[in-house]
Amino acid sequence: GAGVSQSPSNKVTEKGKDVELRCDPISGHTALYWYRQSLGQGLEFLIYFQGNSAPDKSGLPSDRFSAERTGGSVSTLTIQRTQQEDSAVYLCASSLQSYGYTFGSGTRLTVV
Amino acid sequence: QKEVEQDPGPLSVPEGAIVSLNCTYSNSAFQYFMWYRQYSRKGPELLMYTYSSGNKEDGRFTAQVDKSSKYISLFIRDSQPSDSATYLCAMRRGGADGLTFGKGTHLIIQP
Repeated sequence: GAGVSQSPSNKVTEKGKDVELRCDPISGHTALYWYRQSLGQGLEFLIYFQGNSAPDKSGLPSDRFSAERTGGSVSTLTIQRTQQEDSAVYLCASSLQSYGYTFGSGTRLTVV
Repeated sequence: QKEVEQDPGPLSVPEGAIVSLNCTYSNSAFQYFMWYRQYSRKGPELLMYTYSSGNKEDGRFTAQVDKSSKYISLFIRDSQPSDSATYLCAMRRGGADGLTFGKGTHLIIQP
């Protein structure tokens, strides 16, 4: 597609349940990033995939968070045993090196 | 001290005014500087991209980088209500590094 696609756009889940968020990056973009954006908190880096290299997981806030990228394309961010503090907008971005990111519209996660 | 500082605002100006948005940073290794615009309930979109010091102009938008002062600016001329959004600065060291973002400035252009 022409842009970065994220699904679902909105997700409401009960505390303790697992959720999966999907990102479909721009075709040919080798780098893929996940960020979390909470109200008034700015963009918090979560994880970074570059080609076939091991991902940079340094931003994942706890071991309840994990992500994978299959075939160098689609990525899934999984949050296990969700907590209320996980409520945020989860943004995915892709890029070619030496340029800025193209972001998706995000998944708004609400944990009730 | 945070790596990138940005006043969250809100900054409210009348239509037609010149807007100045700014970020300061502490890491002298940053070389690539960007401005993103984010409308409500949308992802950020790349607005301006500059490398090292200097100015770059694109229509009503001008980006300035002063590496000696570790200070970057975005100017918007003839501001329009449609410019109302949150503006985030971002920067990186090398081309393959991740971006470090400011928290964003909420801009309101009053008709």
